[in-house]
Amino acid sequence: KQEVTQIPAALSVPEGENLVLNCSFTDSAIYNLQWFRQDPGKGLTSLLLIQSSQREQTSGRLNASLDKSSGRSTLYIAASQPGDSATYLCAVRQGSGYALNFGKGTSLLVTP
Amino acid sequence: SAVISQKPSRDICQRGTSLTIQCQVDSQVTMMFWYRQQPGQSLTLIATANQGSEATYESGFVIDKFPISRPNLTFSTLTVSNMSPEDSSIYLCSGGGDRDLNTEAFFGQGTRLTVV
Repeated sequence: KQEVTQIPAALSVPEGENLVLNCSFTDSAIYNLQWFRQDPGKGLTSLLLIQSSQREQTSGRLNASLDKSSGRSTLYIAASQPGDSATYLCAVRQGSGYALNFGKGTSLLVTP
Repeated sequence: SAVISQKPSRDICQRGTSLTIQCQVDSQVTMMFWYRQQPGQSLTLIATANQGSEATYESGFVIDKFPISRPNLTFSTLTVSNMSPEDSSIYLCSGGGDRDLNTEAFFGQGTRLTVV
């Protein structure tokens, strides 16, 4: 059974810092990995999708990398802003089914 | 990506009653997924819903408790039946990634359910 782990569980940084969120998964046979953002009490907003054949994806200040063989992904946020404060979720899609397996998330607080 | 309109966004319900959550997609999707997010936890898959067939439920979830309808390729409902306080969670529907596994999944805004 696929297990997805996210470290750290919570992170507080001052505005302007660059930061890295980590995601690991136990079964490397994935089709893709997706990073989401969730604001309190809200649904999920997709940030980046990395296909299994790709090493990284970039969108604005966000960069996500994927090392499938070692079962790891990182989400890099450059020049963090208070508006980045949210929970960041990592999810993988297996070849055996269509649903996503989620980690528990990293709760990020960026202070002014 | 496509957009899912999910409603209600939140509700407070009495134990023993039922609540139906609706999700409308602005484009056709083969599969839709229903997840539950309990307080402080990650998302857990409840079931996968295909049009015209019974939903496929994950271990720990049963049709009598969480009946799902999927009448067409743009709409689905999840009912939480005979509710108890333990059902208090955020419920989310999702689509995408079905015909081509390498497309992104997208989510509704979630339904925050409180059972009192």
